[in-house]
Amino acid sequence: QKEVEQNSGPLSVPEGAIASLNCTYSDRVSQSFFWYRQYSGKSPELIMSIYSNGDKEDGRFTAQLNKASQYVSLLIRDSQPSDSATYLCAVNKGDSNYQLIWGAGTKLIIKP
Amino acid sequence: NAGVMQNPRHLVRRRGQEARLRCSPMKGHSHVYWYRQLPEEGLKFMVYLQKENIIDESGMPKERFSAEFPKEGPSILRIQQVVRGDSAAYFCASSLQTGHYEQYFGPGTRLTVT
Repeated sequence: QKEVEQNSGPLSVPEGAIASLNCTYSDRVSQSFFWYRQYSGKSPELIMSIYSNGDKEDGRFTAQLNKASQYVSLLIRDSQPSDSATYLCAVNKGDSNYQLIWGAGTKLIIKP
Repeated sequence: NAGVMQNPRHLVRRRGQEARLRCSPMKGHSHVYWYRQLPEEGLKFMVYLQKENIIDESGMPKERFSAEFPKEGPSILRIQQVVRGDSAAYFCASSLQTGHYEQYFGPGTRLTVT
């Protein structure tokens, strides 16, 4: 089992719809969770961080964390073609404050 | 508000040469991380440094790779005697010293070994 798992996709969503991206992790001790967006040939860009169970909203993005189920998700409302990218889930390793374990990413395609 | 800077953006080296990658963290950030990303693969942690200290180099190959973050100047990732398998994108990230280490990435250096 991978430490951080994501569906590789591609996930195809119509423009204006909600895109739902999922991530599961194996280490119950992890406390910090991040979503990054990476356009092809570019560097990862931090979108959301979440540290407590529940939802965290920032504009069109909502991160959801369920530590009991070891599950973190990212919702993108009113999806735009510019949201088409690979979305990376990152989780801190064990009790480390700095070392992140990365998922392989989910490729999201927003169809106009 | 300058972000993380990396140079060069593209680097071509022949097998056996040395590659030197530079990273200047975001203003006010004192923590630097280096990652490697192979095509269609996830990011792999290599090393974590603070000024003049290597905190964790557990992800870095024992041979040929070294990193430093001197008191003055950028962080350097050095790869000696490069081989074709070293071809990858190398990203540097930086963070503030806070309880939660949100990491911000530079544009990366694409290393090609011919």
